[in-house]
Amino acid sequence: DVKVTQSSRYLVKRTGEKVFLECVQDMDHENMFWYRQDPGLGLRLIYFSYDVKMKEKGDIPEGYSVSREKKERFSLILESASTNQTSMYLCASSGLEQYFGPGTRLTVT
Amino acid sequence: GNSVTQMEGPVTLSEEAFLTINCTYTATGYPSLFWYVQYPGEGLQLLLKATKADDKGSNKGFEATYRKETTSFHLEKGSVQVSDSAVYFCALSDGTDGYNKLIFGAGTRLAVHP
Repeated sequence: DVKVTQSSRYLVKRTGEKVFLECVQDMDHENMFWYRQDPGLGLRLIYFSYDVKMKEKGDIPEGYSVSREKKERFSLILESASTNQTSMYLCASSGLEQYFGPGTRLTVT
Repeated sequence: GNSVTQMEGPVTLSEEAFLTINCTYTATGYPSLFWYVQYPGEGLQLLLKATKADDKGSNKGFEATYRKETTSFHLEKGSVQVSDSAVYFCALSDGTDGYNKLIFGAGTRLAVHP
């Protein structure tokens, strides 16, 4: 069974803090993705990575960066969290299909 | 650019009712089409998929047929259960970028009452 795990289910951070969201997959997939999910907007792609140390911007990369030092791990970084980044963050990895983690609900106060 | 449009929710049904959730898409070429389901408090799970025109995807009593002529991929189930209450997302992948990127609709919340 493919497993995609995310480091936290719930997170509360203050405005201006640096935030790290971690994602790990155990299927040796090349491609990994970070999305944010907001009501009425569905899932929007923030960044994706197609190999170690390789990354591409998605549709809404502003305010975010990513890191992929190892194949199984893909981190999303909020350099200076803002209240408009309060959202559900979903990580996925992909072979022929995308497999999703359980999500991290981030609240920025 | 590519896009997916789903019917707005919430959809509220009684148990054993017939379900249809409409999904239409705009894409160049021949995308693959997917339905994902998100149960409360969980991530998304692939429900079914279709990779070419006239394909029918099916799983757990749900079905959807890839209709190229109407650019649609409507989700149907003949008799819903309370356990089907979830958010359903239609998505497409045009596959041309080699990365399997998905474009999602806004999601449709389904609530099934006993």
